[in-house]
Amino acid sequence: NAGVMQNPRHLVRRRGQEARLRCSPMKGHSHVYWYRQLPEEGLKFMVYLQKENIIDESGMPKERFSAEFPKEGPSILRIQQVVRGDSAAYFCASSISSSGNTIYFGEGSWLTVV
Amino acid sequence: GIQVEQSPPDLILQEGANSTLRCNFSDSVNNLQWFHQNPWGQLINLFYIPSGTKQNGRLSATTVATERYSLLYISSSQTTDSGVYFCAVEPGSQGNLIFGKGTKLSVKP
Repeated sequence: NAGVMQNPRHLVRRRGQEARLRCSPMKGHSHVYWYRQLPEEGLKFMVYLQKENIIDESGMPKERFSAEFPKEGPSILRIQQVVRGDSAAYFCASSISSSGNTIYFGEGSWLTVV
Repeated sequence: GIQVEQSPPDLILQEGANSTLRCNFSDSVNNLQWFHQNPWGQLINLFYIPSGTKQNGRLSATTVATERYSLLYISSSQTTDSGVYFCAVEPGSQGNLIFGKGTKLSVKP
């Protein structure tokens, strides 16, 4: 039973390029969360999605960042026109329901903007 | 919003020693989890423990929800226990986790 799968594990982008991070939740999980971890800091919630719906995007920067979880395929976190401050580890997590259950994390995607 | 405070922020142990990590939270929670982030950055689930006590090998955790704290016990520590330990809580039923700043543990051989 595969866990939460994220790819790529490491991504290098030049300033101004786009970054796309993908996440496949655990089998049977329909709730997906994205978190960002800046160097030497804890994880910060970004967005919570269910299939084809954004439930809570209160932690997403207002510009350049977007997320989707289509009916088919993985969840995508998209960062347009990346800047050096976007360099961070981006973790995806999934759970079987919306509340009161274990949330499982992927191994993270490390974005470096040069 | 809810505050999650972990202590101590840093801890250095000799191999074989025991330790207790604490997590205080400022409001009632629907979920509490402990994680270990190893030196390679991987985030590993340790416990899902909104209340009560659980044990898994050398690790155990206790959450006293009425008093809004949780404790993580590490016994007979090993160098592989090094890393950052995070406590995370789900306030109410909003679905996402709020993380503390972590306890950085270094176990010396």
